[in-house]
Order: sequence, then structure tokens, then C-alpha cells
Amino acid sequence: QKEVEQNSGPLSVPEGAIASLNCTYSDRVSQSFFWYRQYSGKSPELIMSIYSNGDKEDGRFTAQLNKASQYVSLLIRDSQPSDSATYLCAVRKGSQGNLIFGKGTKLSVKP
Amino acid sequence: EPEVTQTPSHQVTQMGQEVILRCVPISNHLYFYWYRQILGQKVEFLVSFYNNEISEKSEIFDDQFSVERPDGSNFTLKIRSTKLEDSAMYFCASTGQEDYGYTFGSGTRLTVV
Repeated sequence: QKEVEQNSGPLSVPEGAIASLNCTYSDRVSQSFFWYRQYSGKSPELIMSIYSNGDKEDGRFTAQLNKASQYVSLLIRDSQPSDSATYLCAVRKGSQGNLIFGKGTKLSVKP
Repeated sequence: EPEVTQTPSHQVTQMGQEVILRCVPISNHLYFYWYRQILGQKVEFLVSFYNNEISEKSEIFDDQFSVERPDGSNFTLKIRSTKLEDSAMYFCASTGQEDYGYTFGSGTRLTVV
């Protein structure tokens, strides 16, 4: 079983729609969860972190965490063409340790 | 906004040669990392470094790899004898608190020919 799994996509949404990105993880002890955005040929850029069950909102982004289901999601409201990128889910291994990344979901926002 | 700086941005080297990739983490950060990303694949952990020593390393980080923090600002990754499969984008990252997310540098694209 892969440690962090994401649907590779591509996920295509029209401009102004809500994009929903999902991630599951295998290590039940994981406590810290992150979403990164990576444009083609560029480095990952941190957009959200979440540590507790529930929702966390930051501007157009909402991260959702359900530790019982080992599931993390990212919602992007009012999607813009500039949001077109690969979104990486990252999970801290155990209670302290390095981040483990999923393969990423490619998002395409069509004007 | 503070940045993690990596040099060079692109390095081409012959198989068997040694390369040193350089990073300047954010100045008040304490935890440093190297990751790599082979084209089209996921970001993979190589090594973490804290308090002037390696705190964790992956299976990828074998005897051909080493890291150093030779002074108060630089953090380097050395590959002693490069192989074709070492071709990848190498990212340095740092964080001020172990539980926080990392800030990544812009990366060094290493091409081994």
C-alpha cells in the first residue's frame, strides 16, 4: 500500500467552479498534513497545513481532514486559470519526521 | 519574503563525476532537508539535517551521498560518483519548527550524461 495516494488526474474544471482534490494516507500515527502547489518545472509551494480534524479555510482554499478515514482534501473555490498546476499532498511520517509526498493531482482550470 | 536559495539552477555532469549542490536555507530555520524529483515522478525524501547532524535518511541516500553545513549559512549535498539515474531535480527545503511545512528552494536540475 502506497503511503500517500492521490488521483493523478488530470482534473478539469471550468473557471469559477469548485475544484476538489483528495488524498489518502496509510500511516495512522500521522499528525501533520500539507498541501503544496507545483507549477510545471518549478518547486513545491506550501499553500495549506492542517493538523486537526475538520475544516481549515484560507482565502479560496479549504483543507479538510478526517483522521478516522485517513483522508485529507483540498477545495479551491472560484477556480482561476492561474490555479492550473499539480497539487501535492504531503503527510508527516509518524509524529515527527520527514514529509512523505503523494504523486500529485494535476488540475486544469479552463477559461 | 525569505527564500531558500539553490545554486546552480542547472548542472550537467559526466557519469562518475562528483557534484556538489548548494543551498542557503532561510536564516532563522533550524531543520534542513534534501528532496529529489525525477521527471514525472513524485517528490522523494533524501535526508534531513538538524543540529549539525543527519537526523533521518532514506534508502536512496546511500554511501554516494553526503551532506554538510560547512558554515552558518550554506547546506550542501554531494554526490560522489554520479550515475545516469541520479538525473533529477534536487530541492533543498528548510523549516523553523519541525512540525511546520517546509519552504522549498527553486531547485537544481541535475543531468548526468
